[in-house]
Parts: sequence; structure tokens; C-alpha cells
Amino acid sequence: EAGVVQSPRYKIIEKKQPVAFWCNPISGHNTLYWYLQNLGQGPELLIRYENEEAVDDSQLPKDRFSAERLKGVDSTLKIQPAELGDSAVYLCASSRAEGWDTQYFGPGTRLTVL
Amino acid sequence: GDSVTQMEGPVTLSEEAFLTINCTYTATGYPSLFWYVQYPGEGLQLLLKATKADDKGSNKGFEATYRKETTSFHLEKGSVQVSDSAVYFCALVVSSNTGKLIFGQGTTLQVKP
Repeated sequence: EAGVVQSPRYKIIEKKQPVAFWCNPISGHNTLYWYLQNLGQGPELLIRYENEEAVDDSQLPKDRFSAERLKGVDSTLKIQPAELGDSAVYLCASSRAEGWDTQYFGPGTRLTVL
Repeated sequence: GDSVTQMEGPVTLSEEAFLTINCTYTATGYPSLFWYVQYPGEGLQLLLKATKADDKGSNKGFEATYRKETTSFHLEKGSVQVSDSAVYFCALVVSSNTGKLIFGQGTTLQVKP
């Protein structure tokens, strides 16, 4: 079974530029998560999707961050404009269902904002 | 609020030494508990989990027991290998927040030959 796929793996941009990250979850997984991992810390949830519906986006900074999950499969996370403090690893995870079901993580996208 | 606290690292051990990484939690409901591992350059991988009190999760020689009385989920391994060098994260999910994993800050383990 293929794992969670993310691209790009690395991205370097200048501040104020836009950036987008893409995630393809494990086939059949209805729930998709985006997490932010700052250096030396554990991941923190940004947004959770059940199929195509964002059911928890309370931690997403909506002034500059946006996300979508069209057709309930792939998802895109966007930052516009990026700030220096956005430098981090952005992780995507998926699970069959919400709640206690095991979440499987992708390799992440490491963003560096200069 | 719900939270997870791990022992600070890095933890440096010689090969074949005994490993303990402490993890304690605070939760308003009845959490499920997890240990994830992150090898250098790779994504988070589920190592083991326990869904109710007194359950023991185990995988690859690692074990952790869900202790409700001490709100702990310490990770142990009897004999570590160099290949176990990684960052270990303790995490919980509480049913009331439907799937949101709450992680500790991570503990770096370095195993020397």
C-alpha cells in the first residue's frame, strides 16, 4: 500500500512570496490532516478534513493560510504571503476515519523563507 | 487543556543499553496514547499505541504501558541498537476533539556503537 505522498520535499522562497504544498493521502482514507512542525517541537494540527469538508480549521491562520481538498482526495495547503516565521516542516497525514484511528504521515515539506 | 510532556533530550546511550523515555499526559477525556518515531530525513511513523488503561503497546522490541493512575506512557526497550537513533514523540488523541493528535516536544535518542 502506498503511503502518504507530499510534494515538494523542500521549498525555499523569499518572504512575501506565495507557496503551495500538495498532499495525496493513502487510498481509501477519508480523513486528512495538515500539521505544522517547528524545529525541535512536536507537530501541531492546522486543519482536518473529513472527505472534502474542513471540520476543524481553528488553528489555521486564515489571514495568510488557505487549504482545499477538492473531490475529497488530494489536498493543497497555501501560504500567501509567506513570512519568515513560516519556516517549518508541513506534514500531511491521513486516516480511514476520525477519532482514534491511526494517522499515517507523509515525509513532509520543509519550507525555508528568506 | 490536553497536553503531553516528554523528558528532554538528547538521550545518549551505548548499544545494547536499556532505554526509557518518560511521557506523562493531561487529558480531559479518555485518551488513546501513541508513540511515533521520526528517523533522520523521514516522516513520522507510528511505533506503538494503546487505547485504554493497562493496555501495553509493543513493536520492534519497544514497549509502553498505559498507566491511568500515573497518567504516564513511558517508552522502554531492553537493548537499543544504533539504528534506533531517531526522535521519539509521545502523543494522545481524546475522543472529544475527534482525531486531533496532541504531541509532546519529542526526545532525541542517540545510540553509539
